[in-house]
Amino acid sequence: GAGVSQSPRYKVAKRGQDVALRCDPISGHVSLFWYQQALGQGPEFLTYFQNEAQLDKSGLPSDRFFAERPEGSVSTLKIQRTQQEDSAVYLCASSLAPASGRAKSGTDTQYFGPGTRLTVL
Amino acid sequence: KQEVTQIPAALSVPEGENLVLNCSFTDSAIYNLQWFRQDPGKGLTSLLLIQSSQREQTSGRLNASLDKSSGRSTLYIAASQPGDSATYLCAGANEKLTFGTGTRLTIIP
Repeated sequence: GAGVSQSPRYKVAKRGQDVALRCDPISGHVSLFWYQQALGQGPEFLTYFQNEAQLDKSGLPSDRFFAERPEGSVSTLKIQRTQQEDSAVYLCASSLAPASGRAKSGTDTQYFGPGTRLTVL
Repeated sequence: KQEVTQIPAALSVPEGENLVLNCSFTDSAIYNLQWFRQDPGKGLTSLLLIQSSQREQTSGRLNASLDKSSGRSTLYIAASQPGDSATYLCAGANEKLTFGTGTRLTIIP
């Protein structure tokens, strides 16, 4: 079956522009995660959804970052007034099971999309 | 705050050799430890997930171990092949997944 898809794959924005990144998780997956991966670094957690509920947004770096998953499937990560330091690969992942209790990362395998490479000029 | 370290940052070995990748973590209260591979321009592919109650997991030529008391995990790759060339990331699962910076592995034909 289809895996996690993300669009666009590449995005170039001028500093100050708003961007929207889309994630289509695997159908039926309850949990959805967004990560930011800077060049040469590992991914860093941004936010987590269980169905349509955003249960953890502790990793969002500023109030310019906003994520939503209104119908519990497709998710959008929006970055307002982009800055050069926002340049990174943004990864989306989904997993079948909800992350219960403190285990927000879940005990279930996460399936990652190919990412969106954002370059802010 | 969980910190995950992977050493070495890069490794090159001839085809056919066995090799070990190392991962260390500071917070032993993890639910699981996960190993991923990342190919250039692509997302992460899950390789192995070791629950906190387990000591190791095996999948084909891959074997991952977990020692919570020492805060260490290793990924053993047997009989390496050129197709194993990729960046390997480990991640500790507490309230969120915390990733290391990865080991870039090159298998020399």
